[in-house]
Amino acid sequence: DAGVIQSPRHEVTEMGQEVTLRCKPISGHDYLFWYRQTMMRGLELLIYFNNNVPIDDSGMPEDRFSAKMPNASFSTLKIQPSEPRDSAVYFCASGGGHSGANVLTFGAGSRLTVL
Amino acid sequence: GDSVTQMEGPVTLSEEAFLTINCTYTATGYPSLFWYVQYPGEGLQLLLKATKADDKGSNKGFEATYRKETTSFHLEKGSVQVSDSAVYFCALSPDTGRRALTFGSGTRLQVQP
Repeated sequence: DAGVIQSPRHEVTEMGQEVTLRCKPISGHDYLFWYRQTMMRGLELLIYFNNNVPIDDSGMPEDRFSAKMPNASFSTLKIQPSEPRDSAVYFCASGGGHSGANVLTFGAGSRLTVL
Repeated sequence: GDSVTQMEGPVTLSEEAFLTINCTYTATGYPSLFWYVQYPGEGLQLLLKATKADDKGSNKGFEATYRKETTSFHLEKGSVQVSDSAVYFCALSPDTGRRALTFGSGTRLQVQP
């Protein structure tokens, strides 16, 4: 398995633009998590899904953020409109199967810079 | 709510020195505890875990013991290498309810040759 695959690895955009981050979880994992990492706040959980259904989105900062999981092999995190304070590394992680939901495999992250 | 507190970094050690990174937690019930490691430019990787009190997790020379009485899960290694330089995150997963991990703030380890 190629692991959790995220794209793009780097994104530089201007304030007000729409940003879409993508994630392909490990096959067979039924949990998918989106985390955001910044120097100031560390790792924050944004949202997680179980069997493609959003379970807890209490970490989503505001209505500008939305996440979807249309099927078991794909998820997106969208920011519209983007703001400079959204600059961070966004990680997707998946878990489940024989390892259990709390043993996560992380992707390499998407580094977002909003100018 | 649940929380994890780690010692501030960076921790700078010489090669072959003994490592301890402190981690304490606040949670109800009996959470599972984890250490994850992040190398530069990469995502986090599971280093070790413990699922019940007095369990010892170990991997690659690293160890941590789940201490319920002190709510701690300190990471130790007897002899660090330059290749151990990374950021280490302590995390917990509750035994009921929300399945997501709660992470500490991370501790950067720098090992000098």
